[in-house]
Amino acid sequence: GQQLNQSPQSMFIQEGEDVSMNCTSSSIFNTWLWYKQDPGEGPVLLIALYKAGELTSNGRLTAQFGITRKDSFLNISASIPSDVGIYFCAGQSPGGNNRKLIWGLGTSLAVNP
Amino acid sequence: DAGVTQSPTHLIKTRGQQVTLRCSPKSGHDTVSWYQQALGQGPQFIFQYYEEEERQRGNFPDRFSGHQFPNYSSELNVNALLLGDSALYLCASRGTGLYEQYFGPGTRLTVT
Repeated sequence: GQQLNQSPQSMFIQEGEDVSMNCTSSSIFNTWLWYKQDPGEGPVLLIALYKAGELTSNGRLTAQFGITRKDSFLNISASIPSDVGIYFCAGQSPGGNNRKLIWGLGTSLAVNP
Repeated sequence: DAGVTQSPTHLIKTRGQQVTLRCSPKSGHDTVSWYQQALGQGPQFIFQYYEEEERQRGNFPDRFSGHQFPNYSSELNVNALLLGDSALYLCASRGTGLYEQYFGPGTRLTVT
């Protein structure tokens, strides 16, 4: 089925560094969601975006809905060890809110203390 | 405010058996979706229930079926289990008119 292109696939950074990851799609979306998943647990919603150009922050996390409606990025500033996990983007295409979410394959983040 | 809950946490079954997984949505939510997540992969959409009916379905065979009850809780049934059905099964809920889905902790199914 349709999937988003999420990059990078994995990152290994030093504590205190900033992180950036993004998702792109060949079709437009009207909603972008960013999730974090710890091993063996369900994804936790971090940020939801609903309008092209929208920039939303949640603590050290900032996400933007691309102007073209085909991409989104997530930035994490001043990373800490508990940021470790897999980050997923998910998008919903226009056509009513019963349309299923399309998921990226995830960005695995490792933070070296 | 209880979040999404799932039971059981872990389950081990043998090939050919049948399994039922359960989900209670977050308070105030009426739409439940089920996902299968294999190790190292993103969640794969199985189906979505709203008003006790299946509204959307992903690319899963008919061995995967579900049900939603009047209290919005839901069950996922898988018949004739295959080794490849081993995965984390996630339930997510959202409210009417909302796009944000909230996930439960998942049920880890192992088929031997």
